[in-house]
Amino acid sequence: NAGVTQTPKFQVLKTGQSMTLQCAQDMNHEYMSWYRQDPGMGLRLIHYSVGAGITDQGEVPNGYNVSRSTTEDFPLRLLSAAPSQTSVYFCASSYEVRSPTEAFFGQGTRLTVV
Amino acid sequence: AQSVTQPDIHITVSEGASLELRCNYSYGATPYLFWYVQSPGQGLQLLLKYFSGDTLVQGIKGFEAEFKRSQSSFNLRKPSVHWSDAAEYFCAVASSANDYKLSFGAGTTVTVRA
Repeated sequence: NAGVTQTPKFQVLKTGQSMTLQCAQDMNHEYMSWYRQDPGMGLRLIHYSVGAGITDQGEVPNGYNVSRSTTEDFPLRLLSAAPSQTSVYFCASSYEVRSPTEAFFGQGTRLTVV
Repeated sequence: AQSVTQPDIHITVSEGASLELRCNYSYGATPYLFWYVQSPGQGLQLLLKYFSGDTLVQGIKGFEAEFKRSQSSFNLRKPSVHWSDAAEYFCAVASSANDYKLSFGAGTTVTVRA
């Protein structure tokens, strides 16, 4: 049981490049989400999904796209990378949507935009 | 809107000494409260959670937390710290008013000295 798997672990992009951060979970969790972690700011929600085919914006969605074609996968796309998107990105999943449950986190992707 | 405040950015504690990390939340609805720990280069791991019932909650690694509704607090404690407890600690809150999405505090970094 791998839990939540994120790839890559590290990435350097040039300004204006696009890329996709991958996230997969094998726990059949309904709810998946993406956070970014910046020093002194904790984790901020970027986008989330309550099931396959359903996504919504979180607190800081600008510059990012998501899709959820399967229960297992929830990729995060950076359309045109900017230095302000330098951050550590975490994917998380939870079993249920309409009740409070524990979130399981991936190991994170450290992204640097130069 | 819900919010979480962790007043202490950084705490240094001697090995074997007690530790208390503060967390205050701002909320209108019933809060569901969590403490997560992040070791260097790792994802977040759940230490403990409070949904209802006994206000003193036991977690993993010898941690406990006490929910005090009158003070809007959920402080984390450990009686005797080990060097392996050096990490960053995040308090998080969810509620039905926000579809159970997690809101995180900015985090407290704990350094353990020998």
